[in-house]
Amino acid sequence: NAGVTQTPKFRILKIGQSMTLQCAQDMNHNYMYWYRQDPGMGLKLIYYSVGAGITDKGEVPNGYNVSRSTTEDFPLRLELAAPSQTSVYFCAGRTNTEAFFGQGTRLTVV
Amino acid sequence: LAKTTQPISMDSYEGQEVNITCSHNNIATNDYITWYQQFPSQGPRFIIQGYKTKVTNEVASLFIPADRKSSTLSLPRVSLSDTAVYYCLVGETYNFNKFYFGSGTKLNVKP
Repeated sequence: NAGVTQTPKFRILKIGQSMTLQCAQDMNHNYMYWYRQDPGMGLKLIYYSVGAGITDKGEVPNGYNVSRSTTEDFPLRLELAAPSQTSVYFCAGRTNTEAFFGQGTRLTVV
Repeated sequence: LAKTTQPISMDSYEGQEVNITCSHNNIATNDYITWYQQFPSQGPRFIIQGYKTKVTNEVASLFIPADRKSSTLSLPRVSLSDTAVYYCLVGETYNFNKFYFGSGTKLNVKP
């Protein structure tokens, strides 16, 4: 039981490039979330999903897209990367009581 | 979703008890209070959750007064390894669609 797994752990992108941050969970969570965390700041919710096929925007969705074709996977897509998207990205799955976070993806856009 | 207010930072010494208070004046009847801990370069980790009065587990205690407009996370006898950011969240356990974190409280434990 690996919990919530994020790949890659680190990535450097050039401005204008695109990429997909992968998130997979084996805990059968219906609820899943993507956050970004800028240095010294709290977590900002980008997108969330309440089940396969259902996604919705959080606080800071601009520049990102998500999909949820299966319960297990919740990828985050960055199109046209910008320096403002330099951050650490966390994926989480949640039960009714608590959320379980992945180890994060540190993304730098140069 | 109820907005929360926490101190930005706190300092403590090893062996002391630390109390971190969270204000949530507009908490709703169905809302629960949940605390998370985050170490540098890691995702947050669930600590404790409560609805009213007092909840205790092996890590911490959570005190919630009768009006539920605030809550206090109590960490007994902290050690250097308790240095982390602590987040207070308020929302419905079974309807936590938008799961927002605030800025948290940075606890610095000194030797």
